[in-house]
Amino acid sequence: QVHLVQSGAEVKKPGASVKVSCRASGYSFTAYYIHWVRQAPGQGLEWMGRINPDNGATNYAQNFLGRVTMTRDTSNSTAYLELTSLKSDDTAVYYCARLWGWTVAGSSDTLDVWGQGTVLTVSS
Amino acid sequence: EIMVTQSPATLSLSPGETATLSCRASQAIGTTLAWYQQKPGQAPRLLMFYASNRATGIPAKFSGSGSGTDFTLTISSLEPEDSAVYYCQQRKRWPDTFGQGTRLEIK
Repeated sequence: QVHLVQSGAEVKKPGASVKVSCRASGYSFTAYYIHWVRQAPGQGLEWMGRINPDNGATNYAQNFLGRVTMTRDTSNSTAYLELTSLKSDDTAVYYCARLWGWTVAGSSDTLDVWGQGTVLTVSS
Repeated sequence: EIMVTQSPATLSLSPGETATLSCRASQAIGTTLAWYQQKPGQAPRLLMFYASNRATGIPAKFSGSGSGTDFTLTISSLEPEDSAVYYCQQRKRWPDTFGQGTRLEIK
């Protein structure tokens, strides 16, 4: 069974950095993009970017350019999201997801799996 | 960036009724659109992909339609457990974008 398991809740001060992990199991990690989506309290879903676990290539949403880094470790099927220069507005639940659509090779993929979410609180 | 706009923001209906949720894209996206259901404290759950295909395990009471810029999610025979926020998402062009959500209340 396909699972994405994320690291635990974080509390950070403004200006600090955070690194969230997302461990994949039940499938070939390098064959499917990992996306990161966040949700501020009471708000909607915001796509942050994606990483191709096969070659490490990334695409980031404009809003996060310069503050976000997505990496992966294929030896333990884990993707990472690092966000720097944290502000109170970054308080949110951060999800990793294997979204429906296509594999890194371009073939169709109809499975859609999300991690359980990681709560980040940014407060002084 | 393709903008995705959902309407209405909130929908209040009674059990047994049919809900019709709308999603409009700022430019044509073919059928590269999905619908998600999200309940409090849970991750989003995929309902429909490529506009009209039900995801695994999704009951037939959920149906999707549309192409180009206008899309609809229909939920028939509403039950209290259908209360949730529903999001549409376009994946035609990067970056992926989500609508702002429709809150469905079953009273």
